[in-house]
Order: sequence, then structure tokens, then C-alpha cells
Amino acid sequence: GENVEQHPSTLSVQEGDSAVIKCTYSDSASNYFPWYKQELGKGPQLIIDIRSNVGEKKDQRIAVTLNKTAKHFSLHITETQPEDSAVYFCAARQSGNTPLVFGKGTRLSVIA
Amino acid sequence: GAGVSQSPSNKVTEKGKDVELRCDPISGHTALYWYRQSLGQGLEFLIYFQGNSAPDKSGLPSDRFSAERTGGSVSTLTIQRTQQEDSAVYLCASKGSGLSEQFFGPGTRLTVL
Repeated sequence: GENVEQHPSTLSVQEGDSAVIKCTYSDSASNYFPWYKQELGKGPQLIIDIRSNVGEKKDQRIAVTLNKTAKHFSLHITETQPEDSAVYFCAARQSGNTPLVFGKGTRLSVIA
Repeated sequence: GAGVSQSPSNKVTEKGKDVELRCDPISGHTALYWYRQSLGQGLEFLIYFQGNSAPDKSGLPSDRFSAERTGGSVSTLTIQRTQQEDSAVYLCASKGSGLSEQFFGPGTRLTVL
């Protein structure tokens, strides 16, 4: 089955700097890769996703890149703000309704 | 519109007791998922329902865990004879037909003493 590895487990950056979180996956059949943000006491919320037919996707300060050959994908947050502080999870799955397989999460702290 | 709701938000129980956790998905969503999040860990898949099909139970950790979905809407996750290692946040998510995003509820924090 699918296995998703996520690094780093914790990340501290100064406000205004960029943050990068990286994930690798094992199943070449996976074709959907979402990123979720989880704030304390809340459920995860989708912030951006990418499909395997696209190499990069950007939404304002957030971007995701995908390298299918190497089976890895990354989240990039530019101009970080204190409200970006949260736990971020990457995930992967095949098409349709199959469950998501999550990485173990990255705790991001943005220091003002 | 209303998102996914879960109840209770917190549940403290004694070892050996049974517990029921409830999930109300977004109206019209055909797929419903249960995940477990242990402290400092990622989300672990437990079970999912898709329409009227038989549920995929492949993630349930033991036969003490079961779930049902009545009328294609509300779902209940039942844990029998709870153990301390069952302590975790139980998250429910739902997804609309033909859509990719899973919408998560706020979770139920279960503590087994």
C-alpha cells in the first residue's frame, strides 16, 4: 500500500521568510496530492492540492510542486505570517474515493 | 452551508467501557471517512463508506471497532471495551460525488483512563 513520508517534523522561520515542507510517496498509482493545515483544536483544512498531470500549482503565497519521477512533492509558503503557524499534513491517494494516506505532519512556527 | 459536525467534542471514559462517536457529514456527500489521530502523529485511516456499497473496513485496528452509516447520512463509530491505547482524536470527513476534497469535522477527543 501507499506510504507517505514528510519532513521536517518541526520548522521555525522568521516572519517574512519562506517555508518549505517536503513529502515522498511510494505508490506510483497515486495521482492526487492535497495539503492540509490543522490549527489547534480544529480539524484539518485543505489549503492546496495538485494532480499528477500538473507539475506546479500556485495560490497567492502558497505553491505546491510535484515530481512524479522521483515521487516527491513539496509545499512552499512565501512571506510567512504568524497566522501561518499550524501543523501541515501532506497526503496522497489514487483516484476516486479511496482514503487519503497522510504524512506525520510538520509543525510550523512563524516567529514575529 | 454547514460543515461536518461531530459529537461529542470530548469524551472521557474508563477502560473497558464502550463509546459511540457521531459524525454528521455535509448534506448530499456520498463518501464518509473515519480517521484516527494519535498525539503527534498523522491521520490513520479507519473505515469509509461510499453510497450504498459495503464499507471498506481495512483500517480498523481490531474487532472492538465498528461503524455504521444510517440512511446514507449520519455515521456512528463504536469502540467496545476501550483500552488506553484507544485514546486519540477521531476525525470524520465527507466528500461529494465527483469531487476531490475531503472536508473534515473538528474531531472527538477520546481519553480512556
